[in-house]
Amino acid sequence: DAGVIQSPRHEVTEMGQEVTLRCKPISGHNSLFWYRQTMMRGLELLIYFNNNVPIDDSGMPEDRFSAKMPNASFSTLKIQPSEPRDSAVYFCASSLQVLYEQYFGPGTRLTVT
Amino acid sequence: QQQVKQSPQSLIVQKGGISIINCAYENTAFDYFPWYQQFPGKGPALLIAIRPDVSEKKEGRFTISFNKSAKQFSLHIMDSQPGDSATYFCAAKEQAGTALIFGKGTTLSVSS
Repeated sequence: DAGVIQSPRHEVTEMGQEVTLRCKPISGHNSLFWYRQTMMRGLELLIYFNNNVPIDDSGMPEDRFSAKMPNASFSTLKIQPSEPRDSAVYFCASSLQVLYEQYFGPGTRLTVT
Repeated sequence: QQQVKQSPQSLIVQKGGISIINCAYENTAFDYFPWYQQFPGKGPALLIAIRPDVSEKKEGRFTISFNKSAKQFSLHIMDSQPGDSATYFCAAKEQAGTALIFGKGTTLSVSS
């Protein structure tokens, strides 16, 4: 069975550019989570969706960040405009609503120069 | 406010030794406590999890010990192997909520 799929795996962009990260959750899972991981702050939850609806976006750092889930099999995290301090590894995870286990994707390493 | 405090930040253990990582929490509504293992360049993967109705759970060389009164739980890795070298995260979750609250992580190095 395919796990959580994320693309791209690596992204290098210049400050001010728009960045879009993509995620395909595990089929049948109806909760989706976006995390950011840095050395300084560890794993931070940015936003999560339940049945394609954003439930809690309190972790989104600024208005430059936005996330969408147009259907059960796809989600995007967009940063516009990007800044060097956005450099991090961004993880997507999914779970079944009634279960607790979250399954993480391989992550997207974002570097903003 | 850090709801799950993890220690130590890093740990070096000899091959065959016991690795112990500790976590503490304050929120008594937490009822699910997983541990995740992360290798470099990979996403965290669920290793083992426990609920507060039991004090210990063992899966192979990995054991979670849970102390509800002290609001602490720990991961023990018996007979530690170089392949166990990774970053370990504890986490906690409320029954009513959905989001996991992660600790800061412990980088384990097992020397051969």
